[in-house]
Amino acid sequence: QLQLQESGPGLVKPSETLSLTCTVSGGSINSNRYYWGWIRQSPGKGLEWIGTIYYTGSAYYNPSLKSRVSISLDTSKNQFSLKLNSVTAADTALYYCAREFRTMIVVVYDYWGQGTLVTVSS
Amino acid sequence: EIILTQSPGTLSLSPGERAALSCRASESVCSRCVGWYQQKPGQAPRLLIYDKSSRATGIPDRFSGSGSGTDFTLSISSLEPEDFAVYYCQQYGSSPWTFGQGTKVEI
Repeated sequence: QLQLQESGPGLVKPSETLSLTCTVSGGSINSNRYYWGWIRQSPGKGLEWIGTIYYTGSAYYNPSLKSRVSISLDTSKNQFSLKLNSVTAADTALYYCAREFRTMIVVVYDYWGQGTLVTVSS
Repeated sequence: EIILTQSPGTLSLSPGERAALSCRASESVCSRCVGWYQQKPGQAPRLLIYDKSSRATGIPDRFSGSGSGTDFTLSISSLEPEDFAVYYCQQYGSSPWTFGQGTKVEI
């Protein structure tokens, strides 16, 4: 059974960089079958797609965050990571990592981590 | 980006009743480009429907999706106690992928 687990600081100061890691077990991220994504959820903005990475290292970002976000992967550790810089209180949210299932038409998230709450505050 | 508006915000129903949840897009989306998720308190969203009407693994056939253009519907034929939750639609016809704000189905 595939499992994803987010980890990282729960509190980040304004203007600093939010860094989270997703550890995948029960399957390899070094596969051409799936993509790997980050999604966040906040009371104000609901569910928001942040970005996605493929095993080749190619990454795709939400244009609203593109200037501040970076997603990378470490296949040796079966992990992928999120960095969001210059954070503000608006970046306070529950952050999920998820497996992205794609076909020629479909892009959905079929396995999710439990989520990790990140609060931006001084 | 495409904005998805779900209605109603809250749906109050009883077990055994049929539920119809609406998801309206700000512009036309391909008919196969909408998915649906269920979220219960303290849990991550769970994929229910994709490719308009395909059910994810383990999802019972009382859940079905339909629609085209800008109007999509998630139907639950007969509510079970475990179906009371929040439901979200997602479009993947145009990047960035976006989600609706959710419909809460309550007893």
